Amino acid sequence: DTAVSQTPKYLVTQMGNDKSIKCEQNLGHDTMYWYKQDSKKFLKIMFSYNNKELIINETVPNRFSPKSPDKAHLNLHINSLELGDSAVYFCASSHERGGSYEQYFGPGTRLTVT
Amino acid sequence: GEDVEQSLFLSVREGDSSVINCTYTDSSSTYLYWYKQEPGAGLQLLTYIFSNMDMKQDQRLTVLLNKKDKHLSLRIADTQTGDSAIYFCAERGYNQGGKLIFGQGTELSVKP
Repeated sequence: DTAVSQTPKYLVTQMGNDKSIKCEQNLGHDTMYWYKQDSKKFLKIMFSYNNKELIINETVPNRFSPKSPDKAHLNLHINSLELGDSAVYFCASSHERGGSYEQYFGPGTRLTVT
Repeated sequence: GEDVEQSLFLSVREGDSSVINCTYTDSSSTYLYWYKQEPGAGLQLLTYIFSNMDMKQDQRLTVLLNKKDKHLSLRIADTQTGDSAIYFCAERGYNQGGKLIFGQGTELSVKP
């Protein structure tokens, strides 16, 4: 019973390529997020979507484009990959209507750009 | 801007208590969270505390919050080797669209 799942788990690609990472949650949450974890383990939010609407767009290059086809899915497309994009990308979800707003994270996608 | 700070390393002996500390700057924090990350894995939510609480206990975990000093701690009682991991504190500000600001993570090493 995977709550937040991501595919692929590992992604190795060359500079200049375009790639996508997919995320799905089966928790019935209304908000989904993308976080980036760098080589020093530092975690920073990139985007969030609430009911398919973009809520947070941090200072992220416009080569990164999130897409939310429905509440349960949030995909991340990256154009013209650069070496500095190598990181672990985590998807997360939460319920933003009341409660303690706990965010549940997926297992991560380790992206390596060569 | 908002900032969350943690010490990077903590080493304890099996059976001892571990205390991981965290400080934050955002006075509008509503909830504060502790996550655990094992090598190669995602983040597991351990516990959280609402900003108007001082303490929360959940089995071996005790969270203490000093809102005046903006200081949060996580105490793990009877620490086991399986507790070895990186522990992140995170704060959620008011009206920030759900954004979590994370500390750098504290690597807990438990020696037998």
